[in-house]
This record gives sequence, structure tokens and C-alpha cells, in this order.
Amino acid sequence: NAGVTQTPKFRVLKTGQSMTLLCAQDMNHEYMYWYRQDPGMGLRLIHYSVGEGTTAKGEVPDGYNVSRLKKQNFLLGLESAAPSQTSVYFCASSYAGLAGYTGKYFGPGTRLLVL
Amino acid sequence: AQTVTQSQPEMSVQEAETVTLSCTYDTSESDYYLFWYKQPPSRQMILVIRQEAYKQQNATENRFSVNFQKAAKSFSLKISDSQLGDAAMYFCAYRSSGNQFYFGTGTSLTVIP
Repeated sequence: NAGVTQTPKFRVLKTGQSMTLLCAQDMNHEYMYWYRQDPGMGLRLIHYSVGEGTTAKGEVPDGYNVSRLKKQNFLLGLESAAPSQTSVYFCASSYAGLAGYTGKYFGPGTRLLVL
Repeated sequence: AQTVTQSQPEMSVQEAETVTLSCTYDTSESDYYLFWYKQPPSRQMILVIRQEAYKQQNATENRFSVNFQKAAKSFSLKISDSQLGDAAMYFCAYRSSGNQFYFGTGTSLTVIP
């Protein structure tokens, strides 16, 4: 079981460039999430998905798009990167049920620097 | 709306001593989950302990235990026999019955040798 994996681990972009972050989980979780973490602000939810083919906006969705074409994958896209998107990005997954809920499982993070 | 507050941005503890990290939350629900996550310098978020709101008994995981005060909406984490590897950022989190998840802003724990 690899759990939640993220690629790439680190990336440098120039303003205006685009990129896609890939998240994969092998736990058959229904729910997947993208967070960004900035100093002093904790974790903020960007987008999330409650199942294959569905996505929804979180707290800070502007400038990002997501897709969940397969249950195990959740992609985060930046169409035109801005310096304000410099951050550490975390993917997480969880199962949908309330009973016996075990919390979210997080990936190792992707550090993104936009120049 | 639910909020999670960690009022201690930084804490320090001597190795082998005990430290308590505070967390309070605001909710009108009766059924929910609470969590403590650890984020070491490697940045990987690791689940430390969880508590179901309907359970009166405080959760315990080895050296980690919680003091869950439902009426006071308080959920503190106690780390006993602190070790150097416990140094990390600790996040308190709340999960509602509707699967809404809220994180606190974190407490940075330093362990002094």
C-alpha cells in the first residue's frame, strides 16, 4: 500500500506558465482533496471530490482547476501560475462513511515556487 | 460555521517531560470527529489520534492522549515522555457529520534535549 502519493515533489514555474499536480491513492477512498499550506495560515481547502467524475470548490478555488476522471486520481491544474500560488500543496483522501471514520490520509506534499 | 482555534502558536518541552497542546472548536452539532495531526519537518501530515464525539472516554495512543471536554468544546493533546522526534507542527482538526473538515492554524512544538 503506497497510500497517497503526489508528483512532482518540487517545481519552479515562471509567472504565466501552467502545470498539473497529480495525486494518486490506492486505498479505494471515495473522497479526495487538495489543500495549500502557507505560513501562519494552516491548511486551506482548494477543491475536493466526493467521487469519480465529481468536483467541488473549497475555500480558495480561484486560479485552480481539478479533475477526477478515475477514482484513484485527483489532478490539480494551474492554468496561468501567479507568485501568490507559491505554496506547499497537499493532497488527501478519505473514505466517505461516518461510522469508524479514520481521518484523512495525506500525501507528502508538493512544493511549488512561482517566480 | 465551525471553527477550530489553536491559541498556542509555539510550545516547547524538555525531553522526557509532558506537554499539553490546546484546541477549542465551535459547533452546534452533537455528532462529529476530532483529530490531531502531526507535521514534522518532512511536511508529511500524520494522523496522531482521533476522538469520536459520542464517546466519553478519552482516546489514547501510546504516549499521546487527549482531554476531550465536549461541553466546553475543548480537545487538548497531551504528549508524555516527550522525545526529540515529537518536534513538529501539530494541527487540530474537526470533521462534521456532513464531512466538512476544519483545521486549526497549528502549534509548533520544540523539544529541548
